[in-house]
Amino acid sequence: AQTVTQSQPEMSVQEAETVTLSCTYDTSESDYYLFWYKQPPSRQMILVIRQEAYKQQNATENRFSVNFQKAAKSFSLKISDSQLGDAAMYFCAYRSAGGGSNYKLTFGKGTLLTVNP
Amino acid sequence: GAGVSQSPSNKVTEKGKDVELRCDPISGHTALYWYRQRLGQGLEFLIYFQGNSAPDKSGLPSDRFSAERTGESVSTLTIQRTQQEDSAVYLCASSLDLGVTGGKLFFGSGTQLSVL
Repeated sequence: AQTVTQSQPEMSVQEAETVTLSCTYDTSESDYYLFWYKQPPSRQMILVIRQEAYKQQNATENRFSVNFQKAAKSFSLKISDSQLGDAAMYFCAYRSAGGGSNYKLTFGKGTLLTVNP
Repeated sequence: GAGVSQSPSNKVTEKGKDVELRCDPISGHTALYWYRQRLGQGLEFLIYFQGNSAPDKSGLPSDRFSAERTGESVSTLTIQRTQQEDSAVYLCASSLDLGVTGGKLFFGSGTQLSVL
């Protein structure tokens, strides 16, 4: 079974600075998807960024980018020019691309990000 | 609808009572997921549907938990004889399909269940 580990329960960053959230995962599969989801106090999870394992190029979405290291099974999220609205719980997630019945997303336990003005 | 809608947003019940949690996915989304989030924890997979079929029920914690989906639309998660350990936020999500786009889930705001 796949596992996702987020080793930082909490992180803080100054507004306008850069912060990196860590995520590692364990899998024996070669093809899969990785995600970062954001959960603000409203509880509604929002997809931040998505990476396909077969792509070597790191995904970027505006101020959000990832550092995907397939061999190391590492998938970190970098937030540049942090804004107050970035404050939330961030979850790393894994999903198999292999099909069959294995379409569930496996989530880490989350990192609570605080942005200081 | 514009987004995934869950009702009720909050539910307080007494131990031993049955509860029903409802999820209205985005129109046209064929895949629907249920997750449980205990306080301070990550998301625990419960079940997903492709259409009206549930290929993976492996996450349901016990036979007190059941879920159904009708008309490729609304889904109901039922918890019978609730226990205090069932207290959690129950999140529903939908996606267009289970294929390439399937990892892009759209979540509702969840139902906070409190069992006294």
